[in-house]
Amino acid sequence: DIQMTQSPSSVSAFVGDRVTITCRASQSISSYLNWYQHKPGKAPKLLIYAASSLHDGVPSRFSGSGSGTDFTLTISSLQPEDFATYYCQQSYSSLFTFGPGTRVHIK
Amino acid sequence: QVQLQESGPGLVKPSQTLSLTCTVSGGSISSGDYYWSWIRQSPGKGLEWIGYISYSGSTDSNPSLKSRLIMSVDTSKSQFSLKLSSVTAADTAVYYCARKAGAKSFTVFSPWGQGTLVTVSS
Repeated sequence: DIQMTQSPSSVSAFVGDRVTITCRASQSISSYLNWYQHKPGKAPKLLIYAASSLHDGVPSRFSGSGSGTDFTLTISSLQPEDFATYYCQQSYSSLFTFGPGTRVHIK
Repeated sequence: QVQLQESGPGLVKPSQTLSLTCTVSGGSISSGDYYWSWIRQSPGKGLEWIGYISYSGSTDSNPSLKSRLIMSVDTSKSQFSLKLSSVTAADTAVYYCARKAGAKSFTVFSPWGQGTLVTVSS
């Protein structure tokens, strides 16, 4: 299995802050990396696919980068509706695996 | 737009079979472009991909669950289902259904249902 790790596990930030979340794969996954946003009690939502492509309707303050084993999700200016947990997911292997999540909460 | 909704019992006894159904609305379950997936989230293991099924019934699943898993699809009802047998407390989780899109490695899960909590307890 390809193991996914994320750091930090939790981050406190103010509205307007720039937030960066890191995801690391246990082996190279090229650019087959997706990011999801999950709010409690809601359906998780796809934000970024193929490492850096913005899903339809996702605000441009979200961006993704990376390839190989190291990836980042950046929120350029945190908005109140962005407080949530963010997960990365690899699709390089047909045994799809997710990172443990990074919770973004209000400072 | 496409929406998914999970349904099923919230409590299952140990050693019994967990059964869930996902209803798809706002789009066709019979599109050959998509597969219909199950993903679960438990406190101990985070998000875990369970498996997926096509409208024609072809499946793939996580090897760790394969021996206990049966998935089916009913296109007339726009539903797909999961049965997980011989459950234990380790199967307690929020179960999500999701649409799998993309070919080969360009796979994404979108959209997802809101999830349903299943507790395994006597």
